[in-house]
Order: sequence, then C-alpha cells, then structure tokens
Amino acid sequence: EVQLVESGGGLVQPGGSLRLSCAASGFTFSSHSMNWVRLAPGKGLDWVSYISGGSSTIDYADSVKGRFAISRDNAKNSLYLQMNSLRDEDTAVYYCARVSRLPGNYGMDVWGQGTTVTVSS
Amino acid sequence: EIVLTQSPGTLSLSPGERATLSCRASQSVSSNYLAWYQQKPGQPPRLLIYGASSRATGIPDRFSGSGSGTDFTLTISRLEPEDFAVYYCQHYGSSLWTFGQGTKVEI
Repeated sequence: EVQLVESGGGLVQPGGSLRLSCAASGFTFSSHSMNWVRLAPGKGLDWVSYISGGSSTIDYADSVKGRFAISRDNAKNSLYLQMNSLRDEDTAVYYCARVSRLPGNYGMDVWGQGTTVTVSS
Repeated sequence: EIVLTQSPGTLSLSPGERATLSCRASQSVSSNYLAWYQQKPGQPPRLLIYGASSRATGIPDRFSGSGSGTDFTLTISRLEPEDFAVYYCQHYGSSLWTFGQGTKVEI
C-alpha cells in the first residue's frame, strides 16, 4: 500500500525549533519529488517547500525561506522539514505530499494524514 | 508570482444539484500545471483533476475540469452527500506551488 506517515509535530514556543519527518512506503520514494503543505486553523492550503527526487532542486515559500529547511534520505525512504525560528503563524497541520510521475500530471497524488504543529507561549 | 483567486467563497447547494467552481489566475498559465483538490474536515486533500481537465485515479466522472489561460472551472454535475467539502485549485511552475484560497461547497 502506498503510504506517507508524518511525525514530529507538537507544541513549541515562539522562536523554537521542530523537525518533522515523513516516512514513505509502497512506492519508489527516490523517483518522486515531494512537497510539504500546511493548513492553518481557519485558513486554506499553503504550500511550504519542494524537493526533487535527487535533492538537486529545492524551493520554499517566501513565508518560510531562511527559517525552514527541507531534506530527504532516499536510503531511509524519508522526508524531513527542519523548522527554526517558529512563529505563531506557523501553527498548522503539516502534510507531506508526493508529486505524481504520471505524464502530464503535476499534481500531488498521495498525502499523509498530517502532523500538528502549535506555536504558542 | 501567480496568484489564484477562487469564487465563490461559499456555494450553498442541495444534493443532486450542479456545482460550478471558478479559479482565476493572475496571469496566463499552462493548463498542464493546473490541478484541483477536495478536502474534508480532518482529512488530507485528495487530488481530483490534473492538467486542468484529466481526472485522477478513482475520481468519479461527475467531476470535470475545464478552462485555459487565466480561467478554469471545476464542475460537479450532480452533488452527492459526500461531495460537500472545500475545493482548492493549485498551480505548479518552476518548482513553486500555489493554491487558491478555496471554495466551500455546503448544503
């Protein structure tokens, strides 16, 4: 079964750090680009970061650039998001999502259930 | 930077009715890079449409997508009870990803 499972969320004070993980199974992880996407309370979906299959291309939303770092370990079928200098507005459910490899499909076709990050003093 | 604007913000309909959701891009985009998602409370998003008009695997044919340039539409031909949810359009370009703000389809 194709699956993504996030972990590492929790309660953190403003200015603190957190590392999210996403464990992939059921597919060839290294062949897929991956994204982190978040959903803040009462808000819409917000793209956070992208990493290509071989980690050669990485990009971030302006709101997290310089504070968050995406990485992956293809040998461990795992995706990570290191979050530093956290702010109240980073409070959200964080999802990892697989980018499809079907021809012409640039959508995110597999999603994890999400992990909740709460930034509060 | 592409900005996607969805309308309406909320659509109040009944089961069996037709839903038409709009997504407008701030500049012309390739249809190849336009997708639609459905999200229900407490669940992750689900890919419905990619390439503006192609249904993802397992998506019922009552869902259809159309459009080009700056104007895109998601149509649900006959609403089923399980279709009441929030719908997002999304654009991909040069490793940057953008979502619209969402349209809530409610009973």
